[in-house]
Amino acid sequence: EPEVTQTPSHQVTQMGQEVILRCVPISNHLYFYWYRQILGQKVEFLVSFYNNEISEKSEIFDDQFSVERPDGSNFTLKIRSTKLEDSAMYFCAIERGGFGGEQFFGPGTRLTVL
Amino acid sequence: AQTVTQSQPEMSVQEAETVTLSCTYDTSESDYYLFWYKQPPSRQMILVIRQEAYKQQNATENRFSVNFQKAAKSFSLKISDSQLGDAAMYFCAYETNSGYALNFGKGTSLLVTP
Repeated sequence: EPEVTQTPSHQVTQMGQEVILRCVPISNHLYFYWYRQILGQKVEFLVSFYNNEISEKSEIFDDQFSVERPDGSNFTLKIRSTKLEDSAMYFCAIERGGFGGEQFFGPGTRLTVL
Repeated sequence: AQTVTQSQPEMSVQEAETVTLSCTYDTSESDYYLFWYKQPPSRQMILVIRQEAYKQQNATENRFSVNFQKAAKSFSLKISDSQLGDAAMYFCAYETNSGYALNFGKGTSLLVTP
């Protein structure tokens, strides 16, 4: 059974629209991460979330991005006004143990911005 | 800047043979972990092996082992008895204690031929 699932698996949106990507951990975890992978490129860190607040974010994670745990379980990534260059695979990862612990990746959401 | 370099964009190995994927990294941190992740065509990220930087002994996981050279900041992955299912993108990554985000290289595409 996977540690984490993500919905939707594929999202197609128009440029300028808002999208919400969801991450659902199977069991309790303390650390949450969002990464993205533009097609053919490396996986890039976006943001980490610990104890219900952002603990670290990259330069990519600008004001158009936000994260939250609306119901204490799901972990969401919101992109307020999508751009063509936001088209990518977005991976949620979860971790129990903090530093050095295994990060379990979800299957990803493929976001296509038209 | 902290970076991960995978100098082999593509590698090929025959089934049952051994292949080594190279990785070098650059971090000023003294406390960190190193990882190899596998990404098959499904694009799911799967942890292959993990190495703690303060441990001199190289990590092994069944057919997978690493050659960790801390002074040289080198972390290569050896796959023995290669199987068709090993065909995937392989990403090297590290995590430091100053932030738990994974910092990935650009990946090596491994082709396994019968």
